[in-house]
Amino acid sequence: EAGVAQSPRYKIIEKRQSVAFWCNPISGHATLYWYQQILGQGPKLLIQFQNNGVVDDSQLPKDRFSAERLKGVDSTLKIQPAKLEDSAVYLCASSSRPVLFADTGELFFGEGSRLTVL
Amino acid sequence: GQSLEQPSEVTAVEGAIVQINCTYQTSGFYGLSWYQQHDGGAPTFLSYNALDGLEETGRFSSFLSRSDSYGYLLLQELQMKDSASYFCAVRGAALIFGKGTTLSVSS
Repeated sequence: EAGVAQSPRYKIIEKRQSVAFWCNPISGHATLYWYQQILGQGPKLLIQFQNNGVVDDSQLPKDRFSAERLKGVDSTLKIQPAKLEDSAVYLCASSSRPVLFADTGELFFGEGSRLTVL
Repeated sequence: GQSLEQPSEVTAVEGAIVQINCTYQTSGFYGLSWYQQHDGGAPTFLSYNALDGLEETGRFSSFLSRSDSYGYLLLQELQMKDSASYFCAVRGAALIFGKGTTLSVSS
């Protein structure tokens, strides 16, 4: 079974530029999450999708971050304009059911996209 | 709000036993998960406790006390490959992670 795919793995940009990250979840997984992981910290939830609808985006800085999952499969996270504090690894995760209703709440993570903002 | 506390670093030698503690404050608690993350890698699921008590999976065990808002991950017969970061995570409407504990295993 193929895992969660993310691209690009690495991206370096100047502040105020824009960047987009792509995620393809495990086939059949209806729930998709974007997490931000700053160096030395745990993953922080940015947004959760159920199929193509947003379940929770309360932690997403909506003035500069946006995310979509138009066909309920792959997803894109965009940052525009980027700030220095956006330097982090952006992790995509998926699960067959929402965390609240799954047996163990297990999430399957991709290897992440590492963003450096200069 | 929600908060999780775990030690930032733990060191041990091969063959030893290590316990990583996690205390949490949250509303809507449904269970406590543990994830392992090697440098540059993806977090991977280790274990989950919904009820009080001990869950054992091979060399790893996880414990939960809901009344104390406390849990721990126990790693036995440590190997060099266990050097990684370990995160406790509270399951509610979403999965909220602690800051992680870096485990260094030396020979």
